[in-house]
Amino acid sequence: QLQLQESGPGLVKPSETLSLTCIVSGGSVTTTNYYLGWVRQPPGKGLEWIGSFYNSGIMYYNPSLYSRVTISEDTSKNQLSLKLRSVTAADTAVYYCARHRGLGAPWATWGQGTLAIVSS
Amino acid sequence: SYVLTQPPSVSVAPGQTASITCGVKNVGTKSVHWYQQKPGQAPVLLIYYDSDRPSGIPERFSGSHSGNTATLTIGRVEAGDEADYYCQVWDATSDQVVFGGGTELSVL
Repeated sequence: QLQLQESGPGLVKPSETLSLTCIVSGGSVTTTNYYLGWVRQPPGKGLEWIGSFYNSGIMYYNPSLYSRVTISEDTSKNQLSLKLRSVTAADTAVYYCARHRGLGAPWATWGQGTLAIVSS
Repeated sequence: SYVLTQPPSVSVAPGQTASITCGVKNVGTKSVHWYQQKPGQAPVLLIYYDSDRPSGIPERFSGSHSGNTATLTIGRVEAGDEADYYCQVWDATSDQVVFGGGTELSVL
């Protein structure tokens, strides 16, 4: 059964780059017909889609974050990474990795999330 | 940008039926998915493609849509149903995944 586990530094300084990893177990980060995506949730607020990645390098990003986000895969480690540049306090959130089968498909499998705090 | 409109909160007495709406423009062309999120936990898929239930989700949870509104219905509400509920679609026009703002369900 596919499992997703996010990890990250926990604390990042303003203006720096937030780097998170999603470790995929029980499956492949490049499974055909599946997307891996990132969703975040600021404390006390709702879910915000960050982006979705397909194994052929096809990516979709939230336009509001597009200029600061990079999502990429590391097939040797079976991981998906998220890099968010020039962070501010508004980027403080729990970041989730999740899998969905197709762009219009439901997000059926989620990681437990990792909290990233932006603070000096 | 595309917006999904949910009421911020819904309250219901135990044993009653709760309805949570999601305002969706051009809903006829979109499939709506619903998620339940309890405090400190990741979202869980509750309803997909408007009205299908994943295995393990009780039949008390159902989904539908009519016009520009998708609805999540929870029958015989229990205290354990207290959670935040989110609707979600894929907007092919803008190539975006969109989540509603979420609805907090309170069981009185």
